[in-house]
Formats: sequence, structure tokens, C-alpha cells
Amino acid sequence: QKEVEQNSGPLSVPEGAIASLNCTYSDRGSQSFFWYRQYSGKSPELIMFIYSNGDKEDGRFTAQLNKASQYVSLLIRDSQPSDSATYLCAVSQTSYDKVIFGPGTSLSVIP
Amino acid sequence: NAGVMQNPRHLVRRRGQEARLRCSPMKGHSHVYWYRQLPEEGLKFMVYLQKENIIDESGMPKERFSAEFPKEGPSILRIQQVVRGDSAAYFCASSFPGGLNNEQFFGPGTRLTVL
Repeated sequence: QKEVEQNSGPLSVPEGAIASLNCTYSDRGSQSFFWYRQYSGKSPELIMFIYSNGDKEDGRFTAQLNKASQYVSLLIRDSQPSDSATYLCAVSQTSYDKVIFGPGTSLSVIP
Repeated sequence: NAGVMQNPRHLVRRRGQEARLRCSPMKGHSHVYWYRQLPEEGLKFMVYLQKENIIDESGMPKERFSAEFPKEGPSILRIQQVVRGDSAAYFCASSFPGGLNNEQFFGPGTRLTVL
């Protein structure tokens, strides 16, 4: 069983719509959850982290965590073409532990 | 530039040569992580180091690969006797220890091409 799973996509949404990206993880002891954005040929960029159940909002981005279901998601409101990238979900057990990345979901926002 | 630095950005080696990749963490960060990303694939954890210590090397291939983070200077990922399958982007990330979170900040990566 893969440790962190994501739909590979590509996920296509029209400009202005809400993009919903999903991630599941296998280790119930996981404590910290991250979303990174990676443009083609570039390095990953941290956009959100969350460690408590519920929602965390930052601008157009909302991260949602449900530890009971071992599920974390990222919502992007008012999607823009510049949001087109691969989104990586990442999970860590503790602040001193390695971070495990999912395979990423490719998002394409159509103008 | 206070970000994570990696060099070289591009490295070309012939089969059998050695590749040395360097990473300088962000100022104040003492934890360094190395990842490998093959074309069209996700990030694969390789090794996690603190100054002078290897914390977790569970993702490192058993042969030809080694990593260090000396007391002074950058972290080094060394690949001996490279093969074509080693061609990939190698990313370094750093973090500040402690607290609830372990946010990692990535360098620009080194693209290794083995001819």
C-alpha cells in the first residue's frame, strides 16, 4: 500500500471555478500535512500546511484535514490559469521526521 | 539570497564517473533532506541529515550513493560510478527543527544527465 496517494489527473477546471485536490495517507500516526505546488521544470513550493482537523484558509486556498478518514484536501477558489501546475500532498509523523510525498495531481485551469 | 542553494544546477556525467551535488540550507536551518525526482514521477525521499549526523537514510540506494552534512560547509550528495538510470532532478530541502510542523523549503534542484 502506497503511503500517500493522490489522483494523478490531469484535473481540468475552467477559469474561475473551484479546483478540488484530494489526498489519502496510510499512517494514522501522521501529524503534519503539507501541500506543495510544482511548476514544470521547477522545484516544489510550499503553499499550505495543516495539522489540526478542520479547515485552514489562506487567500484562495483552503486545506481540509480529516484524521479519522485519513484524508486531506486542497480547494482552490477562483482558479486562474497561473494555478496550472502539479500539486503535491506531503505527510510527516512529527516535526523531526521525514516528509513523505504523494505522486502529485496535475491541474490545468482552462481560460 | 536567503533561500536554499544548490549547485550545480545542471550536471552532465558519463557512465562510470562520479557526481557531487551540493546543498546549502536556508540560514538558521539545520536539517537537510535530499529527494530524487525522475521525469514525470513524484519526489522520492532519499536521506535526512543534521549537522554531522545521518538521521534517516532509508531511501538511499544501498550502493554508490552517499550523503554528508559536515559541521562546516554544504551538504553533499555523492553518486559514484553513475549509470543512465541515475539521470534525474535531485532536490535538496531544509527545515528549522522543533515546533509542531516540519515545513521544508526546497532549493532549485540539480538536473543530472548521465550520457
